[in-house]
Amino acid sequence: QLVLTQSPSASASLGASVKLTCTLTSGHSNYAIAWHQRQPEKGPRYLMKLDTDGSHIKGDGIPDRFSGSSSGAERFLTISSLQSEDEADYYCQTWGAGIQVFGGGTKLTVL
Amino acid sequence: QVQLVQSGAEVKKPGSSVKVSCKASGGTFSNYAISWVRQAPGQAVEWMGRIIPILEITNYAQKFQGRVTINADKLTGTAYMELSSLRSEDTAVYYCAREGQLLLFDAFDMWGQGTMVTVSS
Repeated sequence: QLVLTQSPSASASLGASVKLTCTLTSGHSNYAIAWHQRQPEKGPRYLMKLDTDGSHIKGDGIPDRFSGSSSGAERFLTISSLQSEDEADYYCQTWGAGIQVFGGGTKLTVL
Repeated sequence: QVQLVQSGAEVKKPGSSVKVSCKASGGTFSNYAISWVRQAPGQAVEWMGRIIPILEITNYAQKFQGRVTINADKLTGTAYMELSSLRSEDTAVYYCAREGQLLLFDAFDMWGQGTMVTVSS
Protein backbone atom coordinates (compact mmCIF):
# COMPACT_ATOMS: atom_id res chain seq x y z
CA GLN A 1 0.00 0.00 0.00
CA LEU A 2 1.29 3.42 -1.00
CA VAL A 3 1.62 5.57 2.11
CA LEU A 4 3.48 8.79 2.90
CA THR A 5 4.62 9.51 6.44
CA GLN A 6 5.38 12.97 7.81
CA SER A 7 6.17 14.20 11.29
CA PRO A 8 3.16 16.14 12.62
CA SER A 9 5.16 19.16 13.69
CA ALA A 10 8.47 20.96 13.34
CA SER A 11 9.87 24.24 14.55
CA ALA A 12 12.83 26.45 13.81
CA SER A 13 13.93 30.00 14.49
CA LEU A 14 13.50 32.99 12.26
CA GLY A 15 16.42 33.14 9.83
CA ALA A 16 17.44 29.53 10.44
CA SER A 17 16.95 26.50 8.20
CA VAL A 18 14.65 23.54 8.59
CA LYS A 19 14.48 20.19 6.82
CA LEU A 20 11.12 18.45 6.57
CA THR A 21 10.89 14.75 5.77
CA CYS A 22 8.39 12.69 3.82
CA THR A 23 8.90 8.92 3.84
CA LEU A 24 7.52 6.54 1.25
CA THR A 25 6.51 3.01 2.18
CA SER A 26 9.04 0.32 1.35
CA GLY A 27 8.57 -0.94 -2.15
CA HIS A 28 7.76 2.54 -3.34
CA SER A 29 11.13 4.19 -2.80
CA ASN A 30 11.42 5.04 -6.50
CA TYR A 31 8.35 7.27 -6.52
CA ALA A 32 8.47 10.97 -7.17
CA ILE A 33 6.57 13.27 -4.82
CA ALA A 34 5.39 16.85 -4.70
CA TRP A 35 5.57 19.33 -1.82
CA HIS A 36 2.76 21.76 -1.08
CA GLN A 37 2.40 24.59 1.40
CA ARG A 38 -0.79 25.76 3.03
CA GLN A 39 -0.54 29.00 4.93
CA PRO A 40 -3.22 29.85 7.49
CA GLU A 41 -6.53 30.86 5.92
CA LYS A 42 -5.18 30.26 2.41
CA GLY A 43 -5.48 27.58 -0.23
CA PRO A 44 -2.59 25.21 -0.85
CA ARG A 45 0.34 26.26 -3.01
CA TYR A 46 2.46 23.92 -5.11
CA LEU A 47 6.12 24.18 -4.14
CA MET A 48 7.91 21.55 -6.19
CA LYS A 49 7.92 18.14 -7.77
CA LEU A 50 10.81 16.06 -6.42
CA ASP A 51 12.25 13.01 -8.11
CA THR A 52 14.20 10.08 -6.70
CA ASP A 53 17.54 11.57 -7.73
CA GLY A 54 16.80 14.84 -5.95
CA SER A 55 16.05 16.78 -9.10
CA HIS A 56 13.09 19.06 -8.65
CA ILE A 57 10.83 21.35 -10.62
CA LYS A 58 9.59 24.32 -8.64
CA GLY A 59 6.36 26.16 -9.05
CA ASP A 60 6.18 29.68 -10.39
CA GLY A 61 7.49 32.26 -7.96
CA ILE A 62 8.79 29.80 -5.38
CA PRO A 63 11.86 31.39 -3.78
CA ASP A 64 15.31 29.83 -3.95
CA ARG A 65 15.08 29.39 -0.16
CA PHE A 66 12.98 26.31 -0.87
CA SER A 67 14.86 23.26 -2.09
CA GLY A 68 14.32 19.53 -2.30
CA SER A 69 16.46 16.43 -1.98
CA SER A 70 16.05 12.66 -1.83
CA SER A 71 17.69 9.71 -0.13
CA GLY A 72 16.26 6.22 -0.60
CA ALA A 73 12.62 6.31 0.41
CA GLU A 74 12.95 9.73 2.03
CA ARG A 75 12.10 13.00 0.36
CA PHE A 76 13.14 16.26 1.96
CA LEU A 77 12.06 19.85 1.81
CA THR A 78 14.62 22.32 3.09
CA ILE A 79 13.65 25.89 3.81
CA SER A 80 16.53 28.24 4.50
CA SER A 81 16.52 31.78 5.91
CA LEU A 82 13.15 31.12 7.52
CA GLN A 83 10.65 33.93 7.41
CA SER A 84 7.49 34.40 9.42
CA GLU A 85 5.34 33.68 6.38
CA ASP A 86 6.90 30.21 6.13
CA GLU A 87 4.84 29.22 9.17
CA ALA A 88 2.39 26.87 7.49
CA ASP A 89 1.36 23.28 6.95
CA TYR A 90 3.49 21.34 4.50
CA TYR A 91 2.13 18.31 2.68
CA CYS A 92 3.80 15.76 0.47
CA GLN A 93 1.88 14.05 -2.32
CA THR A 94 2.58 11.05 -4.49
CA TRP A 95 0.68 9.16 -7.14
CA GLY A 96 0.40 5.76 -8.67
CA ALA A 97 -1.80 3.86 -11.06
CA GLY A 98 -5.25 5.20 -10.33
CA ILE A 99 -4.50 6.87 -7.04
CA GLN A 100 -3.29 10.05 -5.42
CA VAL A 101 -1.90 9.91 -1.89
CA PHE A 102 -1.06 12.60 0.64
CA GLY A 103 1.02 12.58 3.76
CA GLY A 104 -0.52 13.70 7.02
CA GLY A 105 1.24 17.04 6.83
CA THR A 106 3.82 18.81 9.00
CA LYS A 107 2.90 21.97 10.87
CA LEU A 108 5.92 24.25 10.81
CA THR A 109 6.25 26.86 13.54
CA VAL A 110 8.70 29.69 13.06
CA LEU A 111 9.98 30.79 16.46
CA GLN B 1 -2.18 33.57 -15.75
CA VAL B 2 -4.53 30.69 -15.14
CA GLN B 3 -6.14 30.39 -11.74
CA LEU B 4 -8.61 27.84 -10.45
CA VAL B 5 -11.55 29.64 -8.89
CA GLN B 6 -14.01 27.61 -6.85
CA SER B 7 -17.59 28.32 -5.89
CA GLY B 8 -18.54 29.61 -2.47
CA ALA B 9 -19.21 27.95 0.86
CA GLU B 10 -22.20 25.65 1.22
CA VAL B 11 -24.32 24.48 4.14
CA LYS B 12 -26.26 21.30 3.48
CA LYS B 13 -28.63 18.97 5.30
CA PRO B 14 -27.73 15.32 5.89
CA GLY B 15 -28.90 13.17 2.99
CA SER B 16 -28.73 15.97 0.45
CA SER B 17 -26.17 16.63 -2.28
CA VAL B 18 -23.65 19.37 -2.91
CA LYS B 19 -22.11 20.48 -6.20
CA VAL B 20 -18.88 22.47 -6.18
CA SER B 21 -17.49 24.18 -9.26
CA CYS B 22 -13.92 24.96 -10.28
CA LYS B 23 -13.35 27.41 -13.12
CA ALA B 24 -10.09 27.93 -14.96
CA SER B 25 -9.95 31.70 -14.91
CA GLY B 26 -7.64 33.40 -17.40
CA GLY B 27 -7.04 30.29 -19.41
CA THR B 28 -8.07 26.73 -19.93
CA PHE B 29 -7.42 23.33 -18.45
CA SER B 30 -7.93 21.53 -21.73
CA ASN B 31 -4.49 19.90 -21.65
CA TYR B 32 -4.62 18.79 -18.02
CA ALA B 33 -6.48 16.56 -15.65
CA ILE B 34 -8.38 18.05 -12.73
CA SER B 35 -8.50 16.29 -9.38
CA TRP B 36 -10.68 16.85 -6.35
CA VAL B 37 -9.54 16.36 -2.78
CA ARG B 38 -10.97 17.23 0.60
CA GLN B 39 -9.69 17.88 4.09
CA ALA B 40 -11.91 17.57 7.12
CA PRO B 41 -10.93 19.40 10.31
CA GLY B 42 -7.90 17.73 11.85
CA GLN B 43 -7.88 15.02 9.21
CA ALA B 44 -5.60 14.07 6.33
CA VAL B 45 -6.10 15.19 2.77
CA GLU B 46 -8.23 12.65 0.86
CA TRP B 47 -8.22 12.27 -2.87
CA MET B 48 -11.74 11.86 -4.26
CA GLY B 49 -11.30 11.53 -7.99
CA ARG B 50 -10.26 13.21 -11.20
CA ILE B 51 -11.36 14.04 -14.71
CA ILE B 52 -9.58 14.54 -18.00
CA PRO B 53 -11.97 17.15 -19.42
CA ILE B 54 -11.14 16.88 -23.11
CA LEU B 55 -11.54 13.10 -23.04
CA GLU B 56 -14.30 13.02 -20.42
CA ILE B 57 -12.45 10.23 -18.61
CA THR B 58 -12.97 9.98 -14.87
CA ASN B 59 -11.31 8.02 -12.07
CA TYR B 60 -12.77 7.80 -8.58
CA ALA B 61 -11.26 6.81 -5.28
CA GLN B 62 -12.76 3.58 -4.04
CA LYS B 63 -14.01 5.23 -0.86
CA PHE B 64 -16.21 7.66 -2.81
CA GLN B 65 -17.24 5.41 -5.70
CA GLY B 66 -21.00 5.64 -6.19
CA ARG B 67 -21.35 8.81 -4.15
CA VAL B 68 -19.24 11.29 -6.11
CA THR B 69 -19.64 12.50 -9.67
CA ILE B 70 -17.03 14.61 -11.41
CA ASN B 71 -17.68 16.24 -14.74
CA ALA B 72 -16.56 19.22 -16.75
CA ASP B 73 -17.88 21.79 -19.20
CA LYS B 74 -15.19 22.21 -21.85
CA LEU B 75 -16.80 25.31 -23.29
CA THR B 76 -16.68 27.28 -20.05
CA GLY B 77 -13.54 25.63 -18.67
CA THR B 78 -15.34 24.57 -15.51
CA ALA B 79 -15.08 21.32 -13.60
CA TYR B 80 -17.68 20.11 -11.12
CA MET B 81 -17.71 17.74 -8.18
CA GLU B 82 -21.02 16.51 -6.83
CA LEU B 83 -21.19 14.52 -3.60
CA SER B 84 -24.47 12.87 -2.65
CA SER B 85 -25.98 11.32 0.48
CA LEU B 86 -24.17 13.82 2.61
CA ARG B 87 -23.44 13.07 6.25
CA SER B 88 -21.79 15.07 9.00
CA GLU B 89 -18.43 13.41 8.29
CA ASP B 90 -18.44 15.07 4.87
CA THR B 91 -17.96 18.46 6.51
CA ALA B 92 -14.66 19.55 5.02
CA VAL B 93 -12.87 21.96 2.75
CA TYR B 94 -13.02 20.71 -0.82
CA TYR B 95 -10.27 21.61 -3.29
CA CYS B 96 -9.83 21.22 -7.00
CA ALA B 97 -6.32 20.95 -8.36
CA ARG B 98 -4.70 20.73 -11.76
CA GLU B 99 -2.41 17.81 -12.45
CA GLY B 100 0.80 18.43 -14.34
CA GLN B 101 -0.07 16.33 -17.34
CA LEU B 102 -3.04 15.07 -19.25
CA LEU B 103 -3.16 11.29 -19.18
CA LEU B 104 -0.98 9.85 -16.43
CA PHE B 105 -1.45 10.74 -12.79
CA ASP B 106 0.92 13.50 -11.75
CA ALA B 107 1.73 16.14 -9.18
CA PHE B 108 -0.80 18.88 -8.51
CA ASP B 109 0.77 22.06 -9.89
CA MET B 110 -2.13 24.42 -9.26
CA TRP B 111 -4.86 24.56 -6.63
CA GLY B 112 -8.21 26.18 -6.21
CA GLN B 113 -8.81 28.30 -3.13
CA GLY B 114 -11.05 25.73 -1.50
CA THR B 115 -14.77 25.49 -0.74
CA MET B 116 -16.05 24.90 2.77
CA VAL B 117 -18.94 22.43 2.85
CA THR B 118 -20.77 22.09 6.15
CA VAL B 119 -23.25 19.27 6.65
CA SER B 120 -25.57 19.97 9.53
CA SER B 121 -29.16 19.39 10.45
